[in-house]
Amino acid sequence: AQSVAQPEDQVNVAEGNPLTVKCTYSVSGNPYLFWYVQYPNRGLQFLLKYITGDNLVKGSYGFEAEFNKSQTSFHLKKPSALVSDSALYFCAVRDTGAGSYQLTFGKGTKLSVIP
Amino acid sequence: DGGITQSPKYLFRKEGQNVTLSCEQNLNHDAMYWYRQDPGQGLRLIYYSQIVNDFQKGDIAEGYSVSREKKESFPLTVTSAQKNPTAFYLCASSMGGHTGELFFGEGSRLTVL
Repeated sequence: AQSVAQPEDQVNVAEGNPLTVKCTYSVSGNPYLFWYVQYPNRGLQFLLKYITGDNLVKGSYGFEAEFNKSQTSFHLKKPSALVSDSALYFCAVRDTGAGSYQLTFGKGTKLSVIP
Repeated sequence: DGGITQSPKYLFRKEGQNVTLSCEQNLNHDAMYWYRQDPGQGLRLIYYSQIVNDFQKGDIAEGYSVSREKKESFPLTVTSAQKNPTAFYLCASSMGGHTGELFFGEGSRLTVL
């Protein structure tokens, strides 16, 4: 079965500092990995995805993520955090070996950027 | 504008009543999904549909029902059999297949009194 873990419920970072939100996954086949952001009482917005190819994926709003197959990780990063980046972030995985198209989400990490 | 429309945004119901949440998309997507979000639990899949007139149970389908009579529409009924229906419900769609990302609606918050 596919699964995703976001080990930190909350991450605090000072404005202007680099940020990292961690994600690890477990699949039987190859993973397709996604990051989403959610602002309060809103739907999720797609940030970026890894399907194949370059391990460093660039996405919306200056975010990027690095796929690491040996560590089964897909951490979200940004070089310089903004206060407006404060939100709930979700990592998600789809397992090509699972025979279904289900997307499984982590429990989310709340990012707080402190002015 | 293309997108996903969920209605109503907020809904209050008495215990024992069935409730139907609407989800409409004009993205011409084949696949549609319903997720439930509770604080600290992330998103859990209720039902999904890859094509019209076909749908599959997700991880927490008990107490819910869906239909997919049109490509654009995927309504969710929260029945009286759902033990704890108060939650934030999110509808999503995608082009289908393994590589497509999901596009989400703005959500419907159901409170059962």
